[in-house]
Amino acid sequence: GESVGLHLPTLSVQEGDNSIINCAYSNSASDYFIWYKQESGKGPQFIIDIRSNMDKRQGQRVTVLLNKTVKHLSLQIAATQPGDSAVYFCAENPLGQGAQKLVFGQGTRLTINP
Amino acid sequence: KAGVTQTPRYLIKTRGQQVTLSCSPISGHRSVSWYQQTPGQGLQFLFEYFSETQRNKGNFPGRFSGRQFSNSRSEMNVSTLELGDSALYLCASSFGVGETQYFGPGTRLLVL
Repeated sequence: GESVGLHLPTLSVQEGDNSIINCAYSNSASDYFIWYKQESGKGPQFIIDIRSNMDKRQGQRVTVLLNKTVKHLSLQIAATQPGDSAVYFCAENPLGQGAQKLVFGQGTRLTINP
Repeated sequence: KAGVTQTPRYLIKTRGQQVTLSCSPISGHRSVSWYQQTPGQGLQFLFEYFSETQRNKGNFPGRFSGRQFSNSRSEMNVSTLELGDSALYLCASSFGVGETQYFGPGTRLLVL
């Protein structure tokens, strides 16, 4: 069945350190992957996305890596700040570019320690 | 540019009632999707609309329905509410199908 799983439900890092959040997906047909950040009381906020024809994409302080061989996705956050504390979700689009259905993982709660 | 807006933000209903939630997409966006978020099930896809047509539907009972208007605004309706319908209902819009989805703040529904 469709599922996007996360290796760890919680992650705690020191302020200034780098964070890596991992995600496994199950649908080989998925061609689009997204990371969202959700703070308490808010809707998911887009962070970065990547299509299946790429294996790495960088944004401001964030990098997404895609390994299609093992169906693994990761989000790297450089020099984490207190404002990075949130729940992070990976999502995949298993129906390809002809549809808009996203399948979400359960999320990883990232806590930044001062 | 204003983000996705959802109304109302909070809602309390009782079992058996029905509810209508509204979503206004980002200006220029034509695709609207709805998701339900609960602590137990996480974020689950409800349905997707583009140009007033439902293109995909998630695995939810027929009590959940939606529609999209010619100005791309969308509504979803839940009839005969059950306790398990208590959730955060999120709307997301994108310029087109397959494009990045941007979420609104959600409508938190509590069914008593």
